[in-house]
Amino acid sequence: GAVVSQHPSRVICKSGTSVKIECRSLDFQATTMFWYRQFPKQSLMLMATSNEGSKATYEQGVEKDKFLINHASLTLSTLTVTSAHPEDSSFYICSAKLDRDNEQFFGPGTRLTVL
Amino acid sequence: GQNIDQPTEMTATEGAIVQINCTYQTSGFNGLFWYQQHAGEAPTFLSYNVLDGLEEKGRFSSFLSRSKGYSYLLLKELQMKDSASYLCAVMDSNYQLIWGAGTKLIIKP
Repeated sequence: GAVVSQHPSRVICKSGTSVKIECRSLDFQATTMFWYRQFPKQSLMLMATSNEGSKATYEQGVEKDKFLINHASLTLSTLTVTSAHPEDSSFYICSAKLDRDNEQFFGPGTRLTVL
Repeated sequence: GQNIDQPTEMTATEGAIVQINCTYQTSGFNGLFWYQQHAGEAPTFLSYNVLDGLEEKGRFSSFLSRSKGYSYLLLKELQMKDSASYLCAVMDSNYQLIWGAGTKLIIKP
């Protein structure tokens, strides 16, 4: 149980375009989902905490107008990177948490490359 | 501030034992996690400690001392597939995960 999927797994886009990444909890409902970014050889950096039915909580330094998060249902959260630039190229990982538990279950990640 | 320290890289031999240490300073404590991450993949859960002591799970064990702000992950009977990064993460008083930079473990035959 506790499987999280992400789509797409890999995306290459031109600078200036917007990219949407989906994160789904497949066999459980997740009130809270998390979006992370990981640059090569660095640790995970929390970008935002997404709560179903309310606005996401962004970490300091993360532009909320650039990284749009929508958590419209208990099984789906989306991250849209708007007007992507090469410096946004990174590995984006989502995770979801059971309400009764502290463990986070990670999606497989999305490799974004902006040309 | 909040800080998680773990060695950047370690090397061990196939079949041997390796211990990866993690020290932390966080605002509050709601448990410590160890995750394994292979290159290009998302982290996978290994262990969770919230009370002092040793938790054993097959070839992997994790130890916690809250008074010392210290944990270690012990890997026994190392296999080549254990080559990966091992991430230590502490859940703070706000139930947010604070991540270490990870320890890259290289296994040699």
